[in-house]
Amino acid sequence: DAGITQSPRHKVTETGTPVTLRCHQTENHRYMYWYRQDPGHGLRLIHYSYGVKDTDKGEVSDGYSVSRSKTEDFLLTLESATSSQTSVYFCAISDAGVGTDTQYFGPGTRLTVL
Amino acid sequence: QKEVEQDPGPLSVPEGAIVSLNCTYSNSAFQYFMWYRQYSRKGPELLMYTYSSGNKEDGRFTAQVDKSSKYISLFIRDSQPSDSATYLCAMKGVTGGGNKLTFGTGTQLKVEL
Repeated sequence: DAGITQSPRHKVTETGTPVTLRCHQTENHRYMYWYRQDPGHGLRLIHYSYGVKDTDKGEVSDGYSVSRSKTEDFLLTLESATSSQTSVYFCAISDAGVGTDTQYFGPGTRLTVL
Repeated sequence: QKEVEQDPGPLSVPEGAIVSLNCTYSNSAFQYFMWYRQYSRKGPELLMYTYSSGNKEDGRFTAQVDKSSKYISLFIRDSQPSDSATYLCAMKGVTGGGNKLTFGTGTQLKVEL
């Protein structure tokens, strides 16, 4: 998985509780991404980062926030989890961000919100 | 209408068959085209990468891009049970944008003995 780890790998939580997912990379890549994957929707971008403390929204960012204080770590926070946020979350990394460079994915975090 | 359309399957074929997986897209700015393979409960892994139109071959896999028709294909020759997975197409344009990719929803493939 290209030097990418995600934690936790599985989590069950209750509606209204805050949840933080962590992505850690050992590749020193500049770009990091958070996706969610749901049946019928494929992979949808939540937020991405193009450097330390530099982040931007993706297509499904409502209800999520992110932070990146170090090159290697990218955190995804659900401030108040809802059942609609039950999903599999993938982190991805990318080096140059342009041209033929592409994204490499972590193993995923399976989140269930009851 | 989604920017990238992909038949979800499932597609079931016998071992040794030639498999054809396809995506259509609507954004003419897309220039880079990728295929990812995703095994059950795993992250997607990059399989093939093509720039602009044409063919690219890697072992049993061939990626084909027809920009005039906005249509891309992945062919798998001599399919094996280990090819059973979901195949995702992805694409992006040339200019910046943080290297963001647009994905198809994936086609589930099962290769049977």
